[in-house]
Amino acid sequence: SQQGEEDPQALSIQEGENATMNCSYKTSINNLQWYRQNSGRGLVHLILIRSNEREKHSGRLRVTLDTSKKSSSLLITASRAADTASYFCATVSSSGDKLTFGTGTRLAVRP
Amino acid sequence: DGGITQSPKYLFRKEGQNVTLSCEQNLNHDAMYWYRQDPGQGLRLIYYSQIVNDFQKGDIAEGYSVSREKKESFPLTVTSAQKNPTAFYLCASSTARYNEQFFGPGTRLTVL
Repeated sequence: SQQGEEDPQALSIQEGENATMNCSYKTSINNLQWYRQNSGRGLVHLILIRSNEREKHSGRLRVTLDTSKKSSSLLITASRAADTASYFCATVSSSGDKLTFGTGTRLAVRP
Repeated sequence: DGGITQSPKYLFRKEGQNVTLSCEQNLNHDAMYWYRQDPGQGLRLIYYSQIVNDFQKGDIAEGYSVSREKKESFPLTVTSAQKNPTAFYLCASSTARYNEQFFGPGTRLTVL
């Protein structure tokens, strides 16, 4: 089973709306990372949040981490058509010896 | 420009052939990784290397081989022993193991 599982699998919103994606995991982590992938391209790192952090911001991105619930969320505010992509969470184990990607959320932003 | 490059972008292989995918980085990163991505799926780790002349198997290493003779280069060979090699292959690097990873543009391998 996946260490990181994103929810929902697919999301379609109107430009200007906010998009929220969730990631749940099973075992203790050192950090959790969010990546973006445009179709047929490599991944781009968005944010890394450590296990002792609860929230981080980067531009229109806001990431939260709840280690008691073993979950994280990625919020994209005021979405744009250019935000259309797949978004993946990746968890690094607490021992730091394993990084596991989830299956991703496909976001479509309609102009 | 600093970055990580992969070549070729598209690769076609006949059954029974070995093929080598190139990955080069000029970011001065110690760690490098190879992932496989199947349609609609996340990434699965094939091999990683934390330092020159050292590499470790990931979750799906069977049928693949790597070398790390130079810090900048981490080529992946898909051997004939890999029964289902058609996939999108991504190379990545990071300053240290499992820090923020920088990805190349990927190589799409198709077995004919």
